[in-house]
Amino acid sequence: GQQLNQSPQSMFIQEGEDVSMNCTSSSIFNTWLWYKQEPGEGPVLLIALYKAGELTSNGRLTAQFGITRKDSFLNISASIPSDVGIYFCAGQLWGNNNDMRFGAGTRLTVKP
Amino acid sequence: ETGVTQTPRHLVMGMTNKKSLKCEQHLGHNAMYWYKQSAKKPLELMFVYNFKEQTENNSVPSRFSPECPNSSHLFLHLHTLQPEDSALYLCASSPPGPAGYEQYFGPGTRLTVT
Repeated sequence: GQQLNQSPQSMFIQEGEDVSMNCTSSSIFNTWLWYKQEPGEGPVLLIALYKAGELTSNGRLTAQFGITRKDSFLNISASIPSDVGIYFCAGQLWGNNNDMRFGAGTRLTVKP
Repeated sequence: ETGVTQTPRHLVMGMTNKKSLKCEQHLGHNAMYWYKQSAKKPLELMFVYNFKEQTENNSVPSRFSPECPNSSHLFLHLHTLQPEDSALYLCASSPPGPAGYEQYFGPGTRLTVT
C-alpha cells in the first residue's frame, strides 16, 4: 500500500538543540500534516501543508511540503522539555479525499 | 480542550462482551473517523463518515460496527472481540471545505480485551 516512511524512530536530544524529522513515500500526496501526541492524549495538529514546496512555521516549528509531493520534513528549533512526545506525519493521498495515511511516529525525548 | 470527546477513556472487556465507544464533536464538523492505534504501528483508519454516510470501511472485521446518527456523534459497537483488538481507539473529525483534510482527534479510548 501507500506507506509513509517516517524517520528517525526516536531521538534523544539536549534542551536547546534543533530537531529534524521527515517522512517519505513512493506515492504522491495532496496534503501533508504534522501531529504531536502526548501520553494519554490523542494527536494534536501542529501544521498543515497544501502546496508542493510550501514552507510553513508555527512558533518554533517549521514544516515543508516536498516539491515532488512525496515527502515532508518537520524542524523544531531550540527544543524545550515540553516538546517531548511522539510526532506523526500524515498525508492525504492524491485523488482520495478520505484516505489519510500516517507515519509510525518519531519519539522525541528532551533532556534538560 | 480539543472539541472532540470520547467515552469511556478506558475499557476492559471479555471476549464475549458487547460494549460501545462514543465520540462527540463540538466543532461543527461534517466528517468523523475511527482509527485504531497499536503500539509502534501507524494509525489505522477504520471508518469514515461524511454527513452521516459511511464512505470508507477499510476491511474492518464485522465485530466492529460503527454508527453515526448525526454529524456530531459517532459510535463504535464492539462484540466478540479478540485479544489482538486491544489498542487505543481514536475518534477524529474534520470540517467541510478547503480545511477538510485537517483532522482533529479526541483523547481516545484505551481498550483491553481479556
